Amino acid sequence: AQSVTQLDSQVPVFEEAPVELRCNYSSSVSVYLFWYVQYPNQGLQLLLKYLSGSTLVKGINGFEAEFNKSQTSFHLRKPSVHISDTAEYFCAVSDSNTGKLIFGQGTTLQVKP
Amino acid sequence: GAVVSQHPSRVICKSGTSVKIECRSLDFQATTMFWYRQFPKQSLMLMATSNEGSKATYEQGVEKDKFLINHASLTLSTLTVTSAHPEDSSFYICSAKITTGVYNEQFFGPGTRLTVL
Repeated sequence: AQSVTQLDSQVPVFEEAPVELRCNYSSSVSVYLFWYVQYPNQGLQLLLKYLSGSTLVKGINGFEAEFNKSQTSFHLRKPSVHISDTAEYFCAVSDSNTGKLIFGQGTTLQVKP
Repeated sequence: GAVVSQHPSRVICKSGTSVKIECRSLDFQATTMFWYRQFPKQSLMLMATSNEGSKATYEQGVEKDKFLINHASLTLSTLTVTSAHPEDSSFYICSAKITTGVYNEQFFGPGTRLTVL
């Protein structure tokens, strides 16, 4: 069975500082990995995805993530955060057979001025 | 492209009434849609997979008679919460699946906030 663990429930960071949101997954088959952002009372917006190929994936809003198969990780990074990045971030793995998404518990990114 | 809408965005109802939530894929056809439930400060919980022209597949622990799903067309799935109670109050999010080759991607609606008084 597949599972996703987001290691930090909350990450406070000052504006313009770098940030890393951690995600580890468990799967016995090839995986597709995703990061989504959710602003209050809104649906999910795709930040980036890893399907295959280059392990460094660049997404929207200056975010990037690195797929590390040996460590089964897919950590999200941004070199300089803005106040507007304050939101909930979800890591997810896709079941290749059903297309179902398995979500992590979420990480609240709090950007302080 | 790949826009999914939900209606209504917010609904308040009395206990015992039924509420219908619509999920539409606006610019593509989706044979499969998913319904999620999200409690405050928590992750998304998959409730069911909605398949066009056939019965929905419910996740373990989800009451299919409580949460009726109808996927009558390739662009519309509906979730009806029957005989709603305060514990059904939650944020409901749908998604529509697009399959490109061997890859599946889900596009999410903006969510519906249900409050049962």
